[in-house]
Amino acid sequence: DTAVSQTPKYLVTQMGNDKSIKCEQNLGHDTMYWYKQDSKKFLKIMFSYNNKELIINETVPNRFSPKSPDKAHLNLHINSLELGDSAVYFCASSQHSQGGLLFGSGTQLSVL
Amino acid sequence: KQEVTQIPAALSVPEGENLVLNCSFTDSAIYNLQWFRQDPGKGLTSLLLIQSSQREQTSGRLNASLDKSSGRSTLYIAASQPGDSATYLCAVKNGANSKLTFGKGITLSVRP
Repeated sequence: DTAVSQTPKYLVTQMGNDKSIKCEQNLGHDTMYWYKQDSKKFLKIMFSYNNKELIINETVPNRFSPKSPDKAHLNLHINSLELGDSAVYFCASSQHSQGGLLFGSGTQLSVL
Repeated sequence: KQEVTQIPAALSVPEGENLVLNCSFTDSAIYNLQWFRQDPGKGLTSLLLIQSSQREQTSGRLNASLDKSSGRSTLYIAASQPGDSATYLCAVKNGANSKLTFGKGITLSVRP
């Protein structure tokens, strides 16, 4: 299936831990994104990579570090997790010339 | 700074009704506009993508229009069904490499 897939779907962890969320797309898209959806369901951009280069970096704490080993992957590593990091994190991809985004199914992160 | 507004936040209609969901944006210099559907606990499904040069797009019972000059888009749903119950999100992109700015969504409930 052609899609944007992210793992894990659920992540429950303690404060202070370090965790990673992985994202892969097999659509041949050149741009990938991480969005955060908060408890009020509002979606906000965190990062965007185009051809492995960072092009958007919103006001996100340094504890969040995206890594794009190749065009098809954009992983999100979070250090020293805090309670306020609890949210649903969505990966997405698009093709520059067309611009429409396709989203993964989300990772629900719960920090206890 | 682009701002996207969707009013009302929630809407309840009887099955079979034709309905219009509104979206307004403050910066009319957009690259494209995308409508998404989100079911509870699920990811975002792209419904329609309208490029800045287009006036409307249609898919099945859905029709989305775009009026850049007035900063508005509408999503028209014909003959609504209970299965249409979901949150509908409007999102605007201001450039090929820019982020999608989301509205807060309209939660639609279609009563049998």
